[in-house]
Amino acid sequence: QQPVQSPQAVILREGEDAVINCSSSKALYSVHWYRQKHGEAPVFLMILLKGGEQKGHDKISASFNEKKQQSSLYLTASQLSYSGTYFCGTEIIQGAQKLVFGQGTRLTINP
Amino acid sequence: SAVISQKPSRDICQRGTSLTIQCQVDSQVTMMFWYRQQPGQSLTLIATANQGSEATYESGFVIDKFPISRPNLTFSTLTVSNMSPEDSSIYLCSASRQGNTEAFFGQGTRLTVV
Repeated sequence: QQPVQSPQAVILREGEDAVINCSSSKALYSVHWYRQKHGEAPVFLMILLKGGEQKGHDKISASFNEKKQQSSLYLTASQLSYSGTYFCGTEIIQGAQKLVFGQGTRLTINP
Repeated sequence: SAVISQKPSRDICQRGTSLTIQCQVDSQVTMMFWYRQQPGQSLTLIATANQGSEATYESGFVIDKFPISRPNLTFSTLTVSNMSPEDSSIYLCSASRQGNTEAFFGQGTRLTVV
């Protein structure tokens, strides 16, 4: 039931782009993306509802393909502050608001 | 947004004892959840804390081991009972409002059982 994230880890140079994928075996009602830095609480990035919409702010955007039960997070022109572990959280029951998280993708941005 | 305060931030406990973790939200929320996270790993949902009724537990988690209270719309507690070293982990409180909204997280409680 846990969604599968890929890749597990990414190392980039500042300014490079990255894509993180999240795939579920179950039909999804929504997908949430979070970033967690070491020793800190997860921080909300964005939520996508079924319907294939794409969202974004600043240089981070995401898409959700309901039919494929997949979501992707796009980080463009990465900054040092983007470093951390990214989690997708999937909601499979509408309205329950409880999330099942992927195993995480560790992103390291080097100068 | 909402600010979640969790106490204690960390503790070292003897096996066989119990620890109660408190979660206070600065505004009313609809849903509150408790997660467990091993360092460097994903978040695993323990239970949904229901206001005024018994919590709803996920597979693998039982009320006798992880009793949860939620007396109102801003506060919840999680007790880790009869602890063993396998309970050593980070415990996170989360809250969200009705509708398709973000979940907020507390800073977590780092528990070490010796």
